[in-house]
Amino acid sequence: AQSVTQLDSQVPVFEEAPVELRCNYSSSVSVYLFWYVQYPNQGLQLLLKYLSGSTLVKGINGFEAEFNKSQTSFHLRKPSVHISDTAEYFCAVTNTGNQFYFGTGTSLTVIP
Amino acid sequence: KAGVTQTPRYLIKTRGQQVTLSCSPISGHRSVSWYQQTPGQGLQFLFEYFSETQRNKGNFPGRFSGRQFSNSRSEMNVSTLELGDSALYLCASSLADRGGETQYFGPGTRLLVL
Repeated sequence: AQSVTQLDSQVPVFEEAPVELRCNYSSSVSVYLFWYVQYPNQGLQLLLKYLSGSTLVKGINGFEAEFNKSQTSFHLRKPSVHISDTAEYFCAVTNTGNQFYFGTGTSLTVIP
Repeated sequence: KAGVTQTPRYLIKTRGQQVTLSCSPISGHRSVSWYQQTPGQGLQFLFEYFSETQRNKGNFPGRFSGRQFSNSRSEMNVSTLELGDSALYLCASSLADRGGETQYFGPGTRLLVL
């Protein structure tokens, strides 16, 4: 089975500063990688996904992530955060397409 | 298209009772997955159904069961509720006819067991 590690459970960052949320996964076989965001009292919303091709993936709300196969990582970045980015972020991996493995989440708090 | 809907949104039950949660997927989606979300544990996979068949199952006791109907709607049942079953239960649907299909999540059902 796959496992996903999100190294930082909480990340505080000042408004307009850059942020990186880290994600590592366990398997080196072909995988599909996802980042989801969860706002309070809501379900998860897809930010971006990596299936194949370019290792730099751009998503919604100015987020991007880079797939690094040798380091089995898929870190999420944003060059300038806004107050509205305060939320919980989840990294997920699947290789069969029908069973997803999620990390424990990173709580991003943007400080005005 | 309408998104994934889950009913009810909130539930309060007492220990020993049973509960049934419902999920209606996005139209055309045949795969429905269920997750339990608790603080500090992230999302724990319960099971996945595709065309009325359970394809995958997570590491949960037999008290947790589910089913999927011919219209792809799914229900999840928890019998003999325990305090530790208090959680947000999320349903996600996808096409899942090939790898890499995105899962689309509903808003969840928040279950409180007293």
